[in-house]
Amino acid sequence: DAGVIQSPRHEVTEMGQEVTLRCKPISGHNSLFWYRQTMMRGLELLIYFNNNVPIDDSGMPEDRFSAKMPNASFSTLKIQPSEPRDSAVYFCASGIQGATGELFFGEGSRLTVL
Amino acid sequence: SQKIEQNSEALNIQEGKTATLTCNYTNYSPAYLQWYRQDPGRGPVFLLLIRENEKEKRKERLKVTFDTTLKQSLFHITASQPADSATYLCAPVKAAGNKLTFGGGTRVLVKP
Repeated sequence: DAGVIQSPRHEVTEMGQEVTLRCKPISGHNSLFWYRQTMMRGLELLIYFNNNVPIDDSGMPEDRFSAKMPNASFSTLKIQPSEPRDSAVYFCASGIQGATGELFFGEGSRLTVL
Repeated sequence: SQKIEQNSEALNIQEGKTATLTCNYTNYSPAYLQWYRQDPGRGPVFLLLIRENEKEKRKERLKVTFDTTLKQSLFHITASQPADSATYLCAPVKAAGNKLTFGGGTRVLVKP
């Protein structure tokens, strides 16, 4: 299996622009998580889905952030409008609900908002 | 509120020695606890899981303990090697399928 695939790996954009991050989970996994990592705040959970349904989005910073999972093999995290404080590495991870919760992470999308 | 605390200071250790990392949690009753390793520029990678009814778990040179009374897990790397240099993250989990929240991680640097 190719593992969790994220794109883009790097994105540099200007404040106010829309940013869309993409994730393809491992086939057969039915849980998907979006995390954000910064030096100051560590690895923060933004939102997670079970069977394509959002279960907990309490970590989403504000209305500028939205996440979708239209099917079992694709998810997006959108920031609109982006701000410099959104600069971070965004990770997507997938796993199997009902198992012991081990997560498989992608390589991350490094976002820089100027 | 729920808290997961790991020593934020980097742990510098000589090759061959044992590195011991601590994970403390509050306002949690985890069913199990996971440990991950993260290398610079990479995503975290799962290492070990220990259940609440297990005192100790081993995998090669790694050993994890879990004390639900102290609300603490210890992670040991024995006979450490420079290749063990990385950041190690813990994640207590309340139940299977529940959300995974991580501690801040502890960076380990093993010097030859």
